[in-house]
Amino acid sequence: DTGVSQNPRHKITKRGQNVTFRCDPISEHNRLYWYRQTLGQGPEFLTYFQNEAQLEKSRLLSDRFSAERPKGSFSTLEIQRTEQGDSAMYLCASSLLAGGKDTQYFGPGTRLTVL
Amino acid sequence: DAKTTQPNSMESNEEEPVHLPCNHSTISGTDYIHWYRQLPSQGPEYVIHGLTSNVNNRMASLAIAEDRKSSTLILHRATLRDAAVYYCIRNQAGTALIFGKGTTLSVSS
Repeated sequence: DTGVSQNPRHKITKRGQNVTFRCDPISEHNRLYWYRQTLGQGPEFLTYFQNEAQLEKSRLLSDRFSAERPKGSFSTLEIQRTEQGDSAMYLCASSLLAGGKDTQYFGPGTRLTVL
Repeated sequence: DAKTTQPNSMESNEEEPVHLPCNHSTISGTDYIHWYRQLPSQGPEYVIHGLTSNVNNRMASLAIAEDRKSSTLILHRATLRDAAVYYCIRNQAGTALIFGKGTTLSVSS
């Protein structure tokens, strides 16, 4: 069990550019969650997948954001036309929803800076 | 709405026990109580969770009030590495975690 991994760990981009982040969950975990965290705040939910199906999106996920989990394994989060307000830590978590339990394990995050 | 209430900050001395309180007075019968902690520039780390009974693991103990309206995370012997933001979260299995601002724990040597 190597844990949840995220790439890249840091991304600096200019306003208006597109960026894509990748999350590799713990093997066999069927749930994958994306969160965003700004300085001084707790993480905020963005969206989650059950296998390859995207089941819920937060109102924070504007139409510039899109997430996929094409084969029910890794997931990507893309932000189009980045804005300075998108600067944040993007966190991925995975879990195995089974038997009424669903403990989420987080990756190290991708820190995005939009100039 | 985080649905839990925690003190903004707490202080402890190394090797002493730490009791971190959390109020979740509107908890429903199917809500679990989770605790995570987060070091600067790292993702949240799972600590412990419970439903009704007290729970112990290698990291900490979780004491849940009989009416489930509050809980306490217990670190038996604080170390400098325990200095972090601790989040208390209530949620139903299969739903997103809703984080508040947590409790910032400082540990002095």
